[in-house]
Amino acid sequence: GAGVSQTPSNKVTEKGKYVELRCDPISGHTALYWYRQSLGQGPEFLIYFQGTGAADDSGLPNDRFFAVRPEGSVSTLKIQRTERGDSAVYLCASSKQGLETQYFGPGTRLLVL
Amino acid sequence: EDQVTQSPEALRLQEGESSSLNCSYTVSGLRGLFWYRQDPGKGPEFLFTLYSAGEEKEKERLKATLTKKESFLHITAPKPEDSATYLCAVDDSGAGSYQLTFGKGTKLSVIP
Repeated sequence: GAGVSQTPSNKVTEKGKYVELRCDPISGHTALYWYRQSLGQGPEFLIYFQGTGAADDSGLPNDRFFAVRPEGSVSTLKIQRTERGDSAVYLCASSKQGLETQYFGPGTRLLVL
Repeated sequence: EDQVTQSPEALRLQEGESSSLNCSYTVSGLRGLFWYRQDPGKGPEFLFTLYSAGEEKEKERLKATLTKKESFLHITAPKPEDSATYLCAVDDSGAGSYQLTFGKGTKLSVIP
């Protein structure tokens, strides 16, 4: 079956601009997660959705980052006033429920110039 | 203090030369320990989940084991296609939600 998909695969933007990153989870998966991975590091947790609500957003680094999942399926990660330090790979994962194996998408590579 | 520490950072093996990767962890309560494989430019690919000390799981040339403080990923007679970064992650009940905490990974290179 289809896995987790993420668009765009690459995004180049300028400092100060707004970006949106999209995640389409595996069909039927109610839990969705966003992670950020910098070069040479493991993924770092950003936010966890159970259904439509953000059950845990403790990993969001500041209020420039926001994520939504309005219908309990597709999720969008939004970054305002991008900074060069936001450059990283943004990974999305989904699972049937919490406490189940998380399956990752291919990631969106964000470069802020 | 890092919650998940992987060693070595990089490992170079000859084809057929068996070895082990280590993942040591510190948690309040372990809900699960996960191994993923990551190829360059790709997302992590799930390999194993281990839930309790003494548990073992196998898949082809890979075998994962778990103790109360660490996990090992044993690679038997590796092939060049096993070259990748192997990531270990824990689901800690003390973290509240089901977020995973990852180590930095071990980069494995298998030379023909």
